[in-house]
This record gives sequence, structure tokens and C-alpha cells, in this order.
Amino acid sequence: EVQLVESGGGLVQPGGSLRLSCAASGFIFSNYWMSWVRQAPGKGLEWVANIKQGGSEKFYVDSVKGRFTISRDNAENSLYLQMNSLRAEDTAVYYCARGSTILDNWGHGTLVTVSS
Amino acid sequence: QSVLTQPPSASGTPGQRVTISCSGSSSNIGSNTVNWYQKAPGTAPKLLIYRNNLRPSGVPDRFSGSKSGTSASLAISGLQSEDEADYYCAAWDDSLSGPVFGGGTKVTVL
Repeated sequence: EVQLVESGGGLVQPGGSLRLSCAASGFIFSNYWMSWVRQAPGKGLEWVANIKQGGSEKFYVDSVKGRFTISRDNAENSLYLQMNSLRAEDTAVYYCARGSTILDNWGHGTLVTVSS
Repeated sequence: QSVLTQPPSASGTPGQRVTISCSGSSSNIGSNTVNWYQKAPGTAPKLLIYRNNLRPSGVPDRFSGSKSGTSASLAISGLQSEDEADYYCAAWDDSLSGPVFGGGTKVTVL
């Protein structure tokens, strides 16, 4: 059974940093693109970033370019999202998802709140 | 403002058919396939339809999808109470190298 478990969310002040993790199991992690998708309170889903199997290609939504970094450790079956210079508008539940064009499995998300 | 346009709400009585539309552009729906996701409160999003009209294993055949040009639609036939959820369309966008989502449609079973 595919499992994706996010962690690392919490309350952070504007301008602060946070690192999200996603532990994957039940599939060959290194064979798949992986993505982060977020949902702000009362809003819809928004793709944030994705990363190729070996980590050589990474893409970001314009609003997080230069602030967020996606990475992965295939030996540890883990996906990460380093978030710097956080803003109030980054407040959201962040989901880890398997795939890039088709997101076929999702975690339950971790809440990031950016507030003073 | 979402890149793909969906109606904010749709509703029907049990057993009825509900259809949700999704409108995009040439850089997303016009040149790529469409996926649909179901999101109930407090749960993880779930892939419902992929590549316009294919259902993952375990998704009832009451759910169907179609695409024409730069628009797509999701149909739920034989509506059931457990179908109450938010539904999102999504498609790869060539200019972003990532997927774009619709704003979501809240389906209510009356």
C-alpha cells in the first residue's frame, strides 16, 4: 500500500523558515516524480513544486521561486520542501503527492501557518 | 484566481446526475489531458479520473470524464450522499512545467 506521510509543519513568523518532510513507503520511490501541492484556508489546490526521479530537474510555481527548494533522498525514501522567507500568503496545508502530471497518491498534509 | 475555471457549486438529489465543467486554454487543457480529484473535508485529495476519462482502480463507474478542445467535464451519475465533496480539475500547463488546478466545485447532495 502506498503511504505518504508529511511532517514539519507549524507556526512560523513572517520571514522565517521551515522544512517539510514526506516519508514514502509501499512503492519504489526512486522511480517516480514527486510533487508538493498546497491548499490555503478556504481556497483551492495549488501546485507548488515537483522533482524528477533522480533530482536533476525541479520546477516551481512562480510565487515560490527563489524562496522554496524541493529536494529528495532516494536512499531514505523521503521528499523535502525547504521554505525560506515565508509570507502570510504561504499559510496552507501542504500535501506531498506521487507523480507530476498525474498525482495518483497523496498524503494527509501538514499545516503551515505564517503569522506574527 | 485559478487558471482553470469551474463553477463554485453543484447539487442534486440522490440518484440524479450532476455535471461539473472545467474551462482552460491552449497551454493546458488544449494540449494536455485532464485529471479530476475529489477532496472531502479533513481527508487527502484522491485521484478520481485521469487522462480525460480513465478511472483508477476502486473508483465507481458512476464517475466519468470527457474533454473537448479547451474544456472538460466530470459527470456523477446515480448521485450518493458519500459523493459530497469538493471536485477539482487539473491539467499540465506547458508554460509552467507543472499542473494547474481549477478553483474547485463543491457538490452537495440535497
